[in-house]
Amino acid sequence: DGGITQSPKYLFRKEGQNVTLSCEQNLNHDAMYWYRQDPGQGLRLIYYSQIVNDFQKGDIAEGYSVSREKKESFPLTVTSAQKNPTAFYLCASSAGQASTGELFFGEGSRLTVL
Amino acid sequence: DAKTTQPTSMDCAEGRAANLPCNHSTISGNEYVYWYRQIHSQGPQYIIHGLKNNETNEMASLIITEDRKSSTLILPHATLRDTAVYYCIVRVLTTGTASKLTFGTGTRLQVTL
Repeated sequence: DGGITQSPKYLFRKEGQNVTLSCEQNLNHDAMYWYRQDPGQGLRLIYYSQIVNDFQKGDIAEGYSVSREKKESFPLTVTSAQKNPTAFYLCASSAGQASTGELFFGEGSRLTVL
Repeated sequence: DAKTTQPTSMDCAEGRAANLPCNHSTISGNEYVYWYRQIHSQGPQYIIHGLKNNETNEMASLIITEDRKSSTLILPHATLRDTAVYYCIVRVLTTGTASKLTFGTGTRLQVTL
């Protein structure tokens, strides 16, 4: 089935460690996104990419890094510079040209820093 | 993108229609209204979107006022599985660019027996 796969679903990390969250899509979508969600809050945009080898900062990019070497993959690295990394991370994708603007989301990755 | 205002929470009896309001009084002429929902600990799910005409699909109906300053999402026969947070979002639709949707805190809909 077509969709977005995020892994791992749950991740624990010690302070000072970098961690990479995986996001893969087989929808042939051009654009991909990473959002962060804290308890009881809405979603905040971390990074987004419109095409391969290109990405832009969202509203809260500090302490995060991404790459877009392949159309179907958009991994997010949470670095030790991120002050409060414990959160629910959501990856999404959308079609480019002639798109309705609809976002398709993965099931999320829950990161806990111990 | 225009800001939206939604009630924090609402209740609805199972089998009844759930009417979720959204105020977007500063909406521009080229901004669309989108609705998504998020069931606990899952990724948000697209429901419906519209510009000025009312829209209906298999999940819901979207009613947009004539002045476009507010809209209502209608779930015609709510079930327990419709319990979720519902997000109303407005943004310009520009093909070929990323759909940077801004999700606020939404309305928490609780469907009860």
